[in-house]
Amino acid sequence: EVQLVESGGGLVQPGGSLRLSCAASGFSFSSYGMNWVRQAPGKGLEWLSYISSSSTTVYFADSVKGRLTISRDNAKNSLYLQMNSLRDEDTAVYYCARRIAVAPYYFDFWGQGTLVTVSS
Amino acid sequence: SYVLTQPPSVSVAPGQTAGITCGASYIGTKSVHWYQQKPGQAPVLVVYDDSDRPSGIPERFSGSNSGNTATLTITRVEAGDEADYYCQVWDTSSDHPVLFGGGTKLTVL
Repeated sequence: EVQLVESGGGLVQPGGSLRLSCAASGFSFSSYGMNWVRQAPGKGLEWLSYISSSSTTVYFADSVKGRLTISRDNAKNSLYLQMNSLRDEDTAVYYCARRIAVAPYYFDFWGQGTLVTVSS
Repeated sequence: SYVLTQPPSVSVAPGQTAGITCGASYIGTKSVHWYQQKPGQAPVLVVYDDSDRPSGIPERFSGSNSGNTATLTITRVEAGDEADYYCQVWDTSSDHPVLFGGGTKLTVL
């Protein structure tokens, strides 16, 4: 069974940093590109970042470029999101999502999300 | 920039058919995917590649895509279908490849 479990969320002050993790199981993690998607309270889905299976390709949304770093450790079946210079508007539930291996690309499995609250 | 436009809300009576649109210029040339999200839950894929259904998704869910509009159609709507629905495309020619529509709240009257 495919499972994605996010962790690392919590309360952080504006300007602070946080590192989110996503633990994958039930599939060959090293064969899939992975993504981070967030959802602010009462708002829609916002894609943040993608990393290819071998980490050779990464993409970021313009809204977060320069403040977020995506990485993965295939030996540990884990995906990470390093978030710096956090702002109030970064308050959201953060999901990791698996991208299918062959185009057309979509997200076939999602984690349950981890809540990040940016507040003083 | 490319924007996917969804109506904020759609209401339908139980047993009727609901149509949720996703509009964008020439969206018919792209593959569109649809997700259902219930309160407090992660999104779930309900239609991919315009009109295909993942295993476990009822046949009541279908999709189409032509011209400037993609549509998710839910027939024989049930109370359990009440949720937010999002369309999504992946633009392989862009370094910002993923777009989501703004979401549509489906209310079952």
